[in-house]
This record gives sequence, structure tokens and C-alpha cells, in this order.
Amino acid sequence: EVQLVESGGGLVQPGGSLRLSCAASGFTFSSYWMYWVRQAPGKGLVWVSRINSDGSSTRYADSVKGRFTISRDNAKNTLYLQMNSLRAEDTAVYYCARVGNDQADYFDYWGQGTLVTVSS
Amino acid sequence: DIQMTQSPSSLSASVGDRVTLTCRASQSISSYLNWYQQKPGKAPKLLIYTASTLESGVPSRFRGSGSGTDFTLTISSLQPEDFATYYCQQSYSTPPTFGQGTKVEIK
Repeated sequence: EVQLVESGGGLVQPGGSLRLSCAASGFTFSSYWMYWVRQAPGKGLVWVSRINSDGSSTRYADSVKGRFTISRDNAKNTLYLQMNSLRAEDTAVYYCARVGNDQADYFDYWGQGTLVTVSS
Repeated sequence: DIQMTQSPSSLSASVGDRVTLTCRASQSISSYLNWYQQKPGKAPKLLIYTASTLESGVPSRFRGSGSGTDFTLTISSLQPEDFATYYCQQSYSTPPTFGQGTKVEIK
């Protein structure tokens, strides 16, 4: 059974840092592209970052570029999102999601989400 | 970035109703359109990908259609478990972008 389990969320002050993790199981993690997608309270879904299967290629939303870093450890079956210089507008539930087919970027499995709250 | 617009933003319907949700892209996206269902406090769930392919395990009452800029998600006979918010997402180009969602509520 495919499982994605996020952790690392919490309350952080503006300007602070957090590192999110997404532990994958039930599939060959190293074969799949992965995304982080976030959802602010009561709002819609917004992509944050993407990484290819071997970690050699990454992309970021303009809103997080230069502040967030996506990475992966295929030996540990884990995806990461290092978030620095956090702002109030980064407050959201962060989901990791697996790309079902890298020719047609749809997300076939999602984690349960981890809440990040940026507030003083 | 490609803008995705869903309509209506919300609708009220009864169990057994046929419901049609619409998604429009700001430019042609061929058939690179995906639909998700999200219930409160839960992660999104993939329903349909590439406009009309039903994800494994999804009931056949869900049907997707369209190409180019205009797409629809039809639920042929609404069931109690279908009350949720539905999002479309284009995967034609990076960044992938989502519509703002359509909330399906109980009448």
C-alpha cells in the first residue's frame, strides 16, 4: 500500500525556519517525481515545489523561490522541504504528493498534510 | 502561468441528482486536465486524469470530458459520500495550477 506521511510542521515565528519531511512507503520512491503542494486555511491548492526522481532537477513557485529548498534522500525514501525566512502568508497545510506519470503531472497519492503556522 | 477557472463556486444538490462541474483554462491545455475530490480535513483524492481517465477504484458515476480549454466533471447520481469540494488541475505546463474549487453541498 502506497503511503506518504508528512511531519515537521508546527508554530514558528516570522523569519524562522522549519524542515518538513515526507516518508514514503509501498512503492519504489526513487522512480517517482514528487511535489509539495500547500493549502492556506479555507483556500485552494497551490503548488510549492517539484523534484525529479533522482533529485537533480528542482522547480519552485515564485512565492517561495530563494527561501525554500526541496530535496530527497532515495536511500531513506524521504522527501524534504527546508523552509527559511518564513512569512505569515506561508501559513498552510503542506502536502507531499506523488506524480503518477511524469508525462502528465497528475498527483495520484497525497500525504495527510502537516500544518505550518507562522505567527508571533 | 495558466489560469484555471471553475464554475460554479458552490452548488446545492440532492442525493440522486446529476451534477455537472465546469473548468476552463486560460489557454489550450489539450487533455492535460485532472480532477480531485477533497473532504474537510482530508487530503485531495485523484478522481480523473488526462480529462477522462477514471482513476482506479473511483466509482463509474464520475465522468470527465473535454479538451482544449473547456472541461466538465459529471456525477451521474450524487451519493452522500460525494459531498465535497472538487478541484481541477492542469498539467500541460509547469507550474501545475489548480482551479479555485467547486463545493458540492447538500440541498
